[in-house]
Amino acid sequence: AQKITQTQPGMFVQEKEAVTLDCTYDTSDQSYGLFWYKQPSSGEMIFLIYQGSYDEQNATEGRYSLNFQKARKSTNLVISASQLGDSAMYFCAMRVSFGGGSEKLVFGKGTKLTVNP
Amino acid sequence: AAGVIQSPRHLIKEKRETATLKCYPIPRHDTVYWYQQGPGQDPQFLISFYEKMQSDKGSIPDRFSAQQFSDYHSELNMSSLELGDSALYFCASSLGVGFSYEQYFGPGTRLTVT
Repeated sequence: AQKITQTQPGMFVQEKEAVTLDCTYDTSDQSYGLFWYKQPSSGEMIFLIYQGSYDEQNATEGRYSLNFQKARKSTNLVISASQLGDSAMYFCAMRVSFGGGSEKLVFGKGTKLTVNP
Repeated sequence: AAGVIQSPRHLIKEKRETATLKCYPIPRHDTVYWYQQGPGQDPQFLISFYEKMQSDKGSIPDRFSAQQFSDYHSELNMSSLELGDSALYFCASSLGVGFSYEQYFGPGTRLTVT
């Protein structure tokens, strides 16, 4: 069964430093999509970055980048130059397809990031 | 840019009552997903619709039903509410189905059952 594992319940980082949030996944599918979402205390779910299983390069989106290691089944999120506004819960998710247009996102348990001034 | 709209944002109901949550996807998005996020939990998939037809079902209680209408908006109907139904309910939409299509989430409806 498809599964996402985030082993860091909480992480702390100093403002302006970089931080890496870990995510490993388990799937037997050859094609899959991996996503990161940010959830501030206000509750909304904000899409950050996407990595496809066939993408040869690591995805980058502004201060967010992914360290995608397919053989290790890991897709770690790197946030550079942390800002106070980055303090939030971060969820790693995998798009699971059942065929015929049927699919869903499977989420990890999340990592709570706190940026200290 | 237009985002996913959910209404209401907050809802308080008593046990055994009924609730209806509404979702308006981003224009031209034909796929809608519903997720339930309990306190301190990760979001759990409930149900999805593609081109107005139900495409997949997760661990959705029989007390819940949903549909997608001709204008692509969707409604989640919840009956005989229980205390355990208190959660943040997200609707997400995407432009289609496929691994590269990210799901954009609405702000969520926070349901409290007392």
